[in-house]
Amino acid sequence: GESVGLHLPTLSVQEGDNSIINCAYSNSASDYFIWYKQESGKGPQFIIDIRSNMDKRQGQRVTVLLNKTVKHLSLQIAATQPGDSAVYFCAEKVGNDYKLSFGAGTTVTVRA
Amino acid sequence: DAGVIQSPRHEVTEMGQEVTLRCKPISGHNSLFWYRQTMMRGLELLIYFNNNVPIDDSGMPEDRFSAKMPNASFSTLKIQPSEPRDSAVYFCASSSASGQPQHFGDGTRLSIL
Repeated sequence: GESVGLHLPTLSVQEGDNSIINCAYSNSASDYFIWYKQESGKGPQFIIDIRSNMDKRQGQRVTVLLNKTVKHLSLQIAATQPGDSAVYFCAEKVGNDYKLSFGAGTTVTVRA
Repeated sequence: DAGVIQSPRHEVTEMGQEVTLRCKPISGHNSLFWYRQTMMRGLELLIYFNNNVPIDDSGMPEDRFSAKMPNASFSTLKIQPSEPRDSAVYFCASSSASGQPQHFGDGTRLSIL
């Protein structure tokens, strides 16, 4: 079946460097995408979202890029900080469907 | 602003016992979701409520699981009788509309001995 998946399960980043987390999706009908951050012992926390009529959206220190041609989503974190260490999930949904399909998650570790 | 509130945060009980997990969604949100998270399966949707009405319970594992939403500010997930394989982190999430993100609580870590 169609699913959302992540390219890399782990990412180690030097503090201060930029991080890029990738996500591939296979449902071409998906039109809404969300990135979540999950810290140890906590629930997934909404970071940023993007709709399919956009290819880039920026937040505070984060940028999400959407490439619909190759069905690829990425999250860029600028000047990565120790507090950015967490598991990052991408999620997708179609139209007014309530179901979110989650990727497996990428564990980001920030080195001091 | 208050987010989604879940209780208890941790629950340890013996198999066969009844377990009740509680959730208070964000005020004004009309959609509520219960998820289960394990290392093996990741996040699984158990049940979805819209305007307090269960819309999709196809993710509920078996009849031992039940969920209710008596009003817009409260929901419960009950497991009776509990089994060791039910051990997981259970999350509740809410959203204001289908085109809006779901916001998650910090979960209940359930251990069934």
